[in-house]
Amino acid sequence: VVMTQSPATLSVSPGERVTLSCRASQSVWSNLAWYQQRPGQAPRLLIYGASTRATGVPVRFSGSGSGTEFTLTISSLQSADSAVYYCQQYNHWPPYSFGQGTKLEIK
Amino acid sequence: QVTLRESGPALARPTETLTLTCTFSGFSLTTSGMCVSWIRQPPGKALEWLALINWDDDKYYKTSLKTRLTISKDTSKNQVVLTMTNVDPLDTGTYYCTRTHDGQLAFDPWGQGTQVTVSS
Repeated sequence: VVMTQSPATLSVSPGERVTLSCRASQSVWSNLAWYQQRPGQAPRLLIYGASTRATGVPVRFSGSGSGTEFTLTISSLQSADSAVYYCQQYNHWPPYSFGQGTKLEIK
Repeated sequence: QVTLRESGPALARPTETLTLTCTFSGFSLTTSGMCVSWIRQPPGKALEWLALINWDDDKYYKTSLKTRLTISKDTSKNQVVLTMTNVDPLDTGTYYCTRTHDGQLAFDPWGQGTQVTVSS
């Protein structure tokens, strides 16, 4: 399953709302996760099951979608949200597949 | 608290065999449904899943690397080992280990990663 994320990069001002997209080449039902990777750090699970926030994840982060189209929305952006965000499907494995990432820059 | 930590050489020479160790705590790989995966990330690039081993000693590999990878576990030491033969500069990157289980099919948590450079 090929995961395609858009856009590749995004530059947004603090306090704004942003939506990141992820598309699967075939249906993955709701078996989709989002990860945040800050510079120099390991990825961190944000969302699983397409829309369930992982433990400790702020409510500003929300996920939606099913099948082949998914979105990650971050409301009220903060400087700490500057990171690369990856989507990943775990419906058809092996292999697990990740998107190429969306780099979010806070102006 | 579940933690994972990767270790291994920072530098490997082309054609050598690379051995990476994931040492974990807070769970057991003898528990039904428990799995550990290795994932790598070339510099500036996306994440790439490499291999998985589960509680029942089933092993799965990325098809294109299957002939070069071996994953194994030592449940007494709470360790998972990944060996990669015939390394190439294209294998340069950060290697992570991470967990999945029946109650959480996404990768969580992740180790901090170990950086490997393949160069002569």
